[in-house]
Amino acid sequence: DAKTTQPPSMDCAEGRAANLPCNHSTISGNEYVYWYRQIHSQGPQYIIHGLKNNETNEMASLIITEDRKSSTLILPHATLRDTAVYYCIVRPRNTGTASKLTFGTGTRLQVTL
Amino acid sequence: KAGVTQTPRYLIKTRGQQVTLSCSPISGHRSVSWYQQTPGQGLQFLFEYFSETQRNKGNFPGRFSGRQFSNSRSEMNVSTLELGDSALYLCASSPETGFYEQYFGPGTRLTVT
Repeated sequence: DAKTTQPPSMDCAEGRAANLPCNHSTISGNEYVYWYRQIHSQGPQYIIHGLKNNETNEMASLIITEDRKSSTLILPHATLRDTAVYYCIVRPRNTGTASKLTFGTGTRLQVTL
Repeated sequence: KAGVTQTPRYLIKTRGQQVTLSCSPISGHRSVSWYQQTPGQGLQFLFEYFSETQRNKGNFPGRFSGRQFSNSRSEMNVSTLELGDSALYLCASSPETGFYEQYFGPGTRLTVT
């Protein structure tokens, strides 16, 4: 799986957009970009994934650069409940084997009043 | 759709006892994965079940076992509990095996005394 680099922490004011960057310069053609988050003491939560086109769902938007070497997760109107550690992961969508999930160190997003 | 449910949510056991945890996946999801999460080790993959078959297993001793039923519900069992087994046990479901989009339940917090 391609390696990813994320800033260790970010702050965001409530109501503002939170833009979380991820670098994945060694991504290969069949690898998707996935984002998960984990709120303290809760299980991880799948947010969104994409291959090369920008994606949007009810939780967030994912912007992937044209060369696919980096991406940005956007939470359009951050709330206090979005305070969590956000993980960017790059890997093939269907490995044909186990669905083993592994996290790096992620970005700790703190949303403040 | 209802999310992934896990029972019980909290459990206190003593060393040497055994425990069985239950997981009901999202309706229509056929893959169930189990994870152990501790502050020191982070998220660690235990095993995945698909179509009542174990697809892959993480690096855990044989005291950890699981099974899946024909309705995709899954159970995991830990025998001869040790203090180090105290953790949050998470179940995640996915439509098919090998898919990286996994939906987690709230977890069962097991305390071994």
